[in-house]
Amino acid sequence: DAEITQSPRHKITETGRQVTLACHQTWNHNNMFWYRQDLGHGLRLIHYSYGVQDTNKGEVSDGYSVSRSNTEDLPLTLESAASSQTSVYFCASSEGQEVSEQYFGPGTRLTVT
Amino acid sequence: AQSVTQLGSHVSVSEGALVLLRCNYSSSVPPYLFWYVQYPNQGLQLLLKYTSAATLVKGINGFEAEFKKSETSFHLTKPSAHMSDAAEYFCAVSDQSGYSTLTFGKGTMLLVSP
Repeated sequence: DAEITQSPRHKITETGRQVTLACHQTWNHNNMFWYRQDLGHGLRLIHYSYGVQDTNKGEVSDGYSVSRSNTEDLPLTLESAASSQTSVYFCASSEGQEVSEQYFGPGTRLTVT
Repeated sequence: AQSVTQLGSHVSVSEGALVLLRCNYSSSVPPYLFWYVQYPNQGLQLLLKYTSAATLVKGINGFEAEFKKSETSFHLTKPSAHMSDAAEYFCAVSDQSGYSTLTFGKGTMLLVSP
């Protein structure tokens, strides 16, 4: 069955370190998204991609970057981790250019100490 | 920009009672609307979606939602709550460009008591 996976599931890192969170989907979807979930804020969009070599900034993109070198993967990099980036991160994917449902990964809980 | 307001961060019901979770959106064009559910320590999964077809949308697990343009609402209901419905529920609205980005509400935690 097609799925979307994230790794690691849990990560503790120190302030100032570079961290990369992996997202891999086997749906063959063109669109991929990264969100962060914080209490009282719901889900907020960090970056998204509509296809290979395409990346776009979302609502809360400062301090984050993504790259899309193939259809299956959209890694999220925190250039210099800050305590404000402690959060749960979700990756999602959807197909096509029409609005369609997004399929979510299980999430990565990141703690920056 | 479009936005979503979910009234009530927590809603408590008794098992067997009606579930009503409120969602209001702002959008200058007819939107696509979604309800997602999140169980503890899991990702979000789709409950139902409105894409300009029937205004009453039926989803999984007995949930349904009605699109009311005049009220800019898309409230989620279920006639009889089960203990297994306890979870966090998110309403989302599509980006006005017609592409796939969604704006999510802040979520409503549904608590079900025996």
